[in-house]
Amino acid sequence: RKEVEQDPGPFNVPEGATVAFNCTYSNSASQSFFWYRQDCRKEPKLLMSVYSSGNEDGRFTAQLNRASQYISLLIRDSKLSDSATYLCVVLPTSGTYKYIFGTGTRLKVLA
Amino acid sequence: DTGVSQDPRHKITKRGQNVTFRCDPISEHNRLYWYRQTLGQGPEFLTYFQNEAQLEKSRLLSDRFSAERPKGSFSTLEIQRTEQGDSAMYLCASSSGQGDYGYTFGSGTRLTVV
Repeated sequence: RKEVEQDPGPFNVPEGATVAFNCTYSNSASQSFFWYRQDCRKEPKLLMSVYSSGNEDGRFTAQLNRASQYISLLIRDSKLSDSATYLCVVLPTSGTYKYIFGTGTRLKVLA
Repeated sequence: DTGVSQDPRHKITKRGQNVTFRCDPISEHNRLYWYRQTLGQGPEFLTYFQNEAQLEKSRLLSDRFSAERPKGSFSTLEIQRTEQGDSAMYLCASSSGQGDYGYTFGSGTRLTVV
């Protein structure tokens, strides 16, 4: 089983739609969680950290469910500019700063 | 210094040649990481440094790969006797020792082995 699993998509959604991605992780001792965004042929960029209490940044909401070992990203009112690959990232244990990346979920927002 | 710099941006080399990539992290960041990414995959961890110490290496990092960070600032990643399977984007990232705020990545070096 992969340490971090994501549905690769693509998710094709119309502008203005709400879309949600899930990501599961295998190590229950995982410490930190992030969502990164990667545009085609560019480097990944940090979108947001994910906290146990859930957190929101404008149209983006991230949730963590430790019991079920998954994290989610919700994007409301999708824009064309949201089209990208969204990478789920997990820090598997303490004592290391080696982040594990999922394969990414591709999102295409259609006009 | 506003970000992580990587050089070169692109490298085409013939199979069997050696290549070296350079990464300059954000100046106040003491951790530096190398990842490799192929099409349709997420970045895969190769190695990381805290200051000049190489603290962890992936099993992906065969004996043809070596990384250094001699003065705890810039880092180099060398691939000897390149193979076609080494073709990938090589990403460098850095982070500070304070808190846990994720990585900042450089733009990457795209390696093509022909």
